[in-house]
Amino acid sequence: EVQLVESGGAVVQPGGSLRLSCAGSGFSFSDSWMNWVRQAPGKGLEWVANIKHDGSEKTYVDSVRGRFTISRDNAKNSVYLQMNSLRAEDTALYFCARESRNWGQGALVSVSS
Amino acid sequence: DVVLTQSPLSLPVTLGQPASLSCRSSQSLVHSDGNTYLNWLLQRPGQSPRRLIYWVSKRDSGVPDRFSGSGSGPDFTLNISRVEPEDVGVYYCFQLTHWPHTFGQGTKLEIK
Repeated sequence: EVQLVESGGAVVQPGGSLRLSCAGSGFSFSDSWMNWVRQAPGKGLEWVANIKHDGSEKTYVDSVRGRFTISRDNAKNSVYLQMNSLRAEDTALYFCARESRNWGQGALVSVSS
Repeated sequence: DVVLTQSPLSLPVTLGQPASLSCRSSQSLVHSDGNTYLNWLLQRPGQSPRRLIYWVSKRDSGVPDRFSGSGSGPDFTLNISRVEPEDVGVYYCFQLTHWPHTFGQGTKLEIK
């Protein structure tokens, strides 16, 4: 069974940093593109970033480029999202997704003073 | 960025009746490799999204055959032949052809 488990969500002050993790199991992690997608409270889905199988390609939505960094460790079957200079508008449930076929339960990030 | 416009935004349907959801793209979604990376996802209340359809018309494993996808640029459609109670939720179209990947704003299906 495919599983994706996110962790690291928290309440953080504006300008602060946070690192989300996502552990995958039940599939060939090292062969999969991995994505982060977020959903602000009561809103729709927004694709944030993704990373190629070997980490050689990374792409970001404009609103997070330069502040967020996606990375992966295939030995640990994990993908990460380092979030710096957080803003109120980054408040959301952050989903880890294997391509678009499998999704985790999400990690809640709240940016508030 | 590619804009995906879904309609209607709200869709009340009687159980057992068909439903048709639309997604219109602002650009061609045909990738340079010849594939069209247009997917449909369902997010049930309080749950994570689940992919139903990929590459316009291919059903994911375990998805009932009452769901079908069709279309070519710029208009794509998700059809449900007979709506069941478990079909309630928000349906999103999602394109992975262009960067950044983008979602439609969602169609909320409810039982009338």
